[in-house]
Amino acid sequence: DIQLTQSPSFLSASVGDRVTITCRASQGISNYLVWYQQKPGKAPKLLIYAASTLQSGVPSRFSGSGSGTEFTLTISSLQPEDFATYYCQQLNSYPRTFGQGTKVEIK
Amino acid sequence: EVQLVESGGGLVQPGGSLRLSCAASGFTFSDHYMDWVRQAPGQGLEWVGRIRNKVNDYTTEYAASVKGRFTISRDDSKKSLYLQMNSLKTEDTAVYYCVRVASSSYGRDHFDYWGQGILVTVSS
Repeated sequence: DIQLTQSPSFLSASVGDRVTITCRASQGISNYLVWYQQKPGKAPKLLIYAASTLQSGVPSRFSGSGSGTEFTLTISSLQPEDFATYYCQQLNSYPRTFGQGTKVEIK
Repeated sequence: EVQLVESGGGLVQPGGSLRLSCAASGFTFSDHYMDWVRQAPGQGLEWVGRIRNKVNDYTTEYAASVKGRFTISRDDSKKSLYLQMNSLKTEDTAVYYCVRVASSSYGRDHFDYWGQGILVTVSS
């Protein structure tokens, strides 16, 4: 199975901060990497697919990059509604594994 | 508007069975692969399994943790997805999400719509 390791697992930041979350894959997965956002008590929401393609309706302050084994999710200017947990997921092989999550909290 | 609504959750004893359903609307259900994802209390997301569409013979994939115990099926005429869970263990306790797979293309099969989730508790 492909393991995905997110760093950090917990992030404390202020509104307006630039935030970067990293997802590392245990083997190369091309750009078959997705990012989701989950708020407490809610279902996850798709943010980015194919490593860098923004899902329709997602604010442009979110961006993704990377290929192979290292990927990043960047929020250019953190907004109050962005405080949530973020997960990466690989679509290269079965099982379709997720990272352990990165919780972004208010500083 | 795409909607996915799960039902059938609840409390079950270890070793018991439960069948989850997911009612879909707002899109051509028969075209899409459908998956189940679960989340144990306070934990991260775990992919459970997939059922492909008729064009792909309704073939399935499962996580190792549920293979042989869980079965995914669908009824395209009813726009419904099912998860039959047998030999349940306490570690199967989780919120179960029904998810739509955006595309059948390799590497582009991300989850673009999620149900609200349904809680399954396995406890004596």
